[in-house]
Amino acid sequence: LAKTTQPISMDSYEGQEVNITCSHNNIATNDYITWYQQFPSQGPRFIIQGYKTKVTNEVASLFIPADRKSSTLSLPRVSLSDTAVYYCLVVRGYGGATNKLIFGTGTLLAVQP
Amino acid sequence: ETGVTQTPRHLVMGMTNKKSLKCEQHLGHNAMYWYKQSAKKPLELMFVYSLEERVENNSVPSRFSPECPNSSHLFLHLHTLQPEDSALYLCASSQGGTANEKLFFGSGTQLSVL
Repeated sequence: LAKTTQPISMDSYEGQEVNITCSHNNIATNDYITWYQQFPSQGPRFIIQGYKTKVTNEVASLFIPADRKSSTLSLPRVSLSDTAVYYCLVVRGYGGATNKLIFGTGTLLAVQP
Repeated sequence: ETGVTQTPRHLVMGMTNKKSLKCEQHLGHNAMYWYKQSAKKPLELMFVYSLEERVENNSVPSRFSPECPNSSHLFLHLHTLQPEDSALYLCASSQGGTANEKLFFGSGTQLSVL
């Protein structure tokens, strides 16, 4: 499984754009990059997933460079309610078997008023 | 609402008690997971079931015993727990086996062992 590295914490203010970068140097050809958001005492929630270039949905954008060794989650105009832990996962299919979906330490984003 | 329901939401038990956590998914998924999250720590993968067969047991003590009677239900049976087992226990489901696999989590059971 590709190991991921992301900052332990980040601070921001309401209304700013926040970019959280994740490194995954040993990503394999068939791997996808997935981001989850977790609020205290709740289960993580899927945010966005991508394979290459750029993916955008109603919540965030995901930028993946051509070498795919890193990815950046972009949250536009954050609010206080975006304060959460954000996890980056690299997921590999095992041809029918189930993936071992291992979470790292994540990035604690603290949004200030 | 994620389509994954866990009960109970909160549980307090003594070290000699036996209790069970229940998880039910309404998403038609073929894989289910138990994760443990201690305070201010990352999620730890405990068990993985694919098509009702256990495919991963991540060196979890035998005082935790999972059961998956069908693809929609998952249980975690608890007995003679220790205070350090106090944590948030999360259940998740997915359509497993593909690289774009996505996990759907329940709200968790907050367990306190006295």
